[in-house]
Parts: sequence; structure tokens; C-alpha cells
Amino acid sequence: QSALTQPASVSGSPGQSITISCTGTSSDIGGYYYVSWYQQHPGKAPKLMIYDVSDRPSGVSNRFSGSKSGNTASLTISGLQAEDEADYYCSSYTSSNTLVFGGGTKLTVL
Amino acid sequence: QVQLVQSGAEVKKPGASVKVSCKATGYTFTTYGISWVRQAPGQGLEWMGWISVYNGNTNYAQNLQGRVTMTTDTSTSTAYMELRSLRSDDRAVYYCARGRSTSPFDYWGQGTLVTVSS
Repeated sequence: QSALTQPASVSGSPGQSITISCTGTSSDIGGYYYVSWYQQHPGKAPKLMIYDVSDRPSGVSNRFSGSKSGNTASLTISGLQAEDEADYYCSSYTSSNTLVFGGGTKLTVL
Repeated sequence: QVQLVQSGAEVKKPGASVKVSCKATGYTFTTYGISWVRQAPGQGLEWMGWISVYNGNTNYAQNLQGRVTMTTDTSTSTAYMELRSLRSDDRAVYYCARGRSTSPFDYWGQGTLVTVSS
């Protein structure tokens, strides 16, 4: 199972909005609503930010939102803050009953 | 509160085995699966597989089949991941997480660094 495709890096200024894409196939993202997004700061464990495409866990800011169209999922962060600077990973359930992660996207807040 | 606490860093020689533990507290251990994810230095996350704590069923990533075994001890609410025939490219931080392939990983352990070096 190949990794989902994410841009290596994105950047934005404080207060702006950014979107990170995550492209898969009809055997993963396109076929299921089990898409999650994780935030990882350096040296820390990942943190769940979005699950089931667009649901937010309790305690996660509503500045984070998720969506899906076809084989591509997206994470949007609005009102960028310095603390949002981190690596972001998408994941999806697959038709092989496995899970696959994206390669990760480094978000830089300018 | 929910916590997953993993065992400490390990240094192993090529060809050896490593067994990492993950002790769960703050919830009913048998009602959630436990997944394992690893991250090589400077690299992304790699899903290794998951185990149903309820019935012991496992599902492993194809590239690790035959080398990895995931188990649980419900009497101590602890999950284990054993990786055999270690190679240099198995050097990574290994994480346990609460969840399965169709559910989000809502809690994570702190990670265990496994170094493979002769």
C-alpha cells in the first residue's frame, strides 16, 4: 500500500488560512470516511485533530476543519497561529483492511 | 484520564528481537483496540498493525508480516509489540495508540526509541 500524497511543505502568515491536501485512491480515501489528521510537534507524539473526514475531537480548536472530495481529503486551518507550526499527517483506512498514512506536511507560520 | 505509558529506549544488535510494552490506564482496556505506529528518524509515520484487545485478533502491515507480533495482557492492561530479525532500517521511535484501522488514534504513548546497531 503506497503512502497517501501530501505536499512536503506549506506556509502562511498569522491570521491567514491554509489548506493541506491528501491524495489517495478509490481503495482508501475515495472509498471510506475513515480519514484522520494528526498534528505532530518536534519530539512529541502525534495528536488527533480531525477524524472521520470532518469531525473534531473535544478540545481541538474549531479553526481546524476537514473535508473530502473524491480521492482527496483536505485539512484547513483558519486564523493561523504560531503554535500551529508543526508536521501534519493524514491517514485513511484501506480496502485491504489496513491503514495508510500520508508522507507528512511541514507547516511553517511566517 | 486516559494514558498510555511505554517502556524505555532499547539498543539492539542486528538480527535480535525487541519487545516494547504499552500500559494503559484511565479506561476499560478491553473496549478499544491498540495500534502500533513507527517513525524513522526524520521520516513520516508508518502504520504497523493493530490488535483487538477484546479477542486478540491482529492485523499487521504486509511489509512486517512474519517479523512482528502484537499481544496484550488484560490482567495488567498492557499491550506488547515484538519485532524480530531487527535490521538497521528498523531504527525508529515506536508508538502505541488507542484505536484500530477504522477508528481514530485518540491517545498515544510517549514513544520508545529502538536503535539497531552492531
